Amino acid sequence: DAGVIQSPRHEVTEMGQEVTLRCKPISGHNSLFWYRQTMMRGLELLIYFNNNVPIDDSGMPEDRFSAKMPNASFSTLKIQPSEPRDSAVYFCASSKTSGDNEQFFGPGTRLTVL
Amino acid sequence: ILNVEQSPQSLHVQEGDSTNFTCSFPSSNFYALHWYRWETAKSPEALFVMTLNGDEKKKGRISATLNTKEGYSYLYIKGSQPEDSATYLCASRTQGGSEKLVFGKGMKLTVNP
Repeated sequence: DAGVIQSPRHEVTEMGQEVTLRCKPISGHNSLFWYRQTMMRGLELLIYFNNNVPIDDSGMPEDRFSAKMPNASFSTLKIQPSEPRDSAVYFCASSKTSGDNEQFFGPGTRLTVL
Repeated sequence: ILNVEQSPQSLHVQEGDSTNFTCSFPSSNFYALHWYRWETAKSPEALFVMTLNGDEKKKGRISATLNTKEGYSYLYIKGSQPEDSATYLCASRTQGGSEKLVFGKGMKLTVNP
């Protein structure tokens, strides 16, 4: 299995630009999670989906952030407009709802907003 | 608010030393405790998922225990090796159907040869 796939791996953009991060979960996993990792706050859950439906988006910072999961094999996290304080590593993870719910993480996208 | 705390925040040991670190979490509505190992420039990898009070799990030289009544878990590494150098994260999940994990800030271990 290829594992969780994220793209791009690195993104450098200017303040005010739209940023779209992409994630392909592991085949057969029905839950998908978006996390943000910063030095100050550690690893924080932004939103998670179960069977393509958003379940908990309480971690989404503000209206500039949005996430979609149009099908079981693809999700996007969009920031519009981006700000320097959005600079962080964004991880996507997936899991099966059954069993012990072990979450498998992707390699992350390092976002820098200038 | 669910707070997961880890201590110490960092640890430097010599090769061959044994180490242990603590994860504390609110014991009310506890469902599961996850341990992850996170090497620099990589993504977190699951070590253990623990659910029952008194659980003890082992993978090679790494083991973990769980006390759900008092809200803590210990992670032990026996005979640390340089390749054990990583950040070790714990995360708690509560009852109620949510799959949300709340992570601690992690414990950075450096094993010197």
